[in-house]
Amino acid sequence: GQQVMQIPQYQHVQEGEDFTTYCNSSTTLSNIQWYKQRPGGHPVFLIQLVKSGEVKKQKRLTFQFGEAKKNSSLHITATQTTDVGTYFCAAGSNAGNMLTFGGGTRLMVKP
Amino acid sequence: DSGVTQTPKHLITATGQRVTLRCSPRSGDLSVYWYQQSLDQGLQFLIQYYNGEERAKGNILERFSAQQFPDLHSELNLSSLELGDSALYFCASSVYPEMEPQHFGDGTRLSIL
Repeated sequence: GQQVMQIPQYQHVQEGEDFTTYCNSSTTLSNIQWYKQRPGGHPVFLIQLVKSGEVKKQKRLTFQFGEAKKNSSLHITATQTTDVGTYFCAAGSNAGNMLTFGGGTRLMVKP
Repeated sequence: DSGVTQTPKHLITATGQRVTLRCSPRSGDLSVYWYQQSLDQGLQFLIQYYNGEERAKGNILERFSAQQFPDLHSELNLSSLELGDSALYFCASSVYPEMEPQHFGDGTRLSIL
């Protein structure tokens, strides 16, 4: 089945530093979604990327979909303590809306 | 508040028992998904329903079953429970079954003693 690798698994940053998490697949993806899960919370949808080379921004967050549609990244500029949580990428398939989630990157921000 | 309601929030039971987890999707959503999240682990897709019909199946054990009812709520049945079944079980919903954002409930934390 489809596998999605996400790195790094953990990241500690000082508040104000940048952060990036990467998502890689061995197969071409139809779309990729990003979710954030705060400690003790549930995953919350952030964004969906569909087109090759697509770049979308949400305030300090920048999402990219690779040209070959096999990888994606989420970059946070100038992290804040409110950014703490686990960020998951989720690869979509054409069969139903089954999402294959990456293992997640747990972001910890030191104030 | 995502609009997805899961009950109960916590469930403690013993090995060998059977439990039922319930999910009410957001108003207007036709598709329901079930996920399992073990401690500090990722999300494992279990099963998807769309408008009452099974749409996609993931790593769901034979001891587990689910269904979606005419009013669109869904139930996940877990039987012959084992210690390794202890996890957070999330339900999510979306309007359509493909390429849609999924809205997650708060989850049911299942603890097997």
